[in-house]
Amino acid sequence: KAGVTQTPRYLIKTRGQQVTLSCSPISGHRSVSWYQQTPGQGLQFLFEYFSETQRNKGNFPGRFSGRQFSNSRSEMNVSTLELGDSALYLCASSYGDGYEQYFGPGTRLTVT
Amino acid sequence: DQQVKQNSPSLSVQEGRISILNCDYTNSMFDYFLWYKKYPAEGPTFLISISSIKDKNEDGRFTVFLNKSAKHLSLHIVPSQPGDSAVYFCAASKAPTGKSTFGDGTTLTVKP
Repeated sequence: KAGVTQTPRYLIKTRGQQVTLSCSPISGHRSVSWYQQTPGQGLQFLFEYFSETQRNKGNFPGRFSGRQFSNSRSEMNVSTLELGDSALYLCASSYGDGYEQYFGPGTRLTVT
Repeated sequence: DQQVKQNSPSLSVQEGRISILNCDYTNSMFDYFLWYKKYPAEGPTFLISISSIKDKNEDGRFTVFLNKSAKHLSLHIVPSQPGDSAVYFCAASKAPTGKSTFGDGTTLTVKP
């Protein structure tokens, strides 16, 4: 079974721009969650999608948004990028509640 | 308010000895706990989990213990191997949800 894939792996953007990150979950997994990892803050939960609906949301500003498609693939969008948005963005998929999450390799976003 | 805490940023043990990684949580509503291992430039990898209705779960060299009254869990690795050197994250979740709250991680170094 193929693992969770994330594209692109690396991204450099300028402050004020917007960015879209993509995640393809493991086949059959319906839950997709997004996390931000920074050296000082650890893994911070962004949001979770389950069957195309946002089920949970973390404490991030509205500039961070996401969606999930009918094939469970998910995208997250960050608008008006700030320097502090530089981080590793991780996507994780799960079969459902009570199951462990499988993480992708992440997208390293650098905002200059 | 950090709901999941790993108070030891690093741990160093000798090959063949036991590694004990600790985690404390504050939210009594958590009912599912997980440990993940992370190597540099990779996403976290699921290691072992435990439901709140149990106090112990074993998988090969890895055992997780849960003390609900103390809101404390620990991961024991016996015997430790150099390949176990990585960052270990403790995570907690509350069903029904794909949202996990992570600790800041403990860097384990196993010396040959």
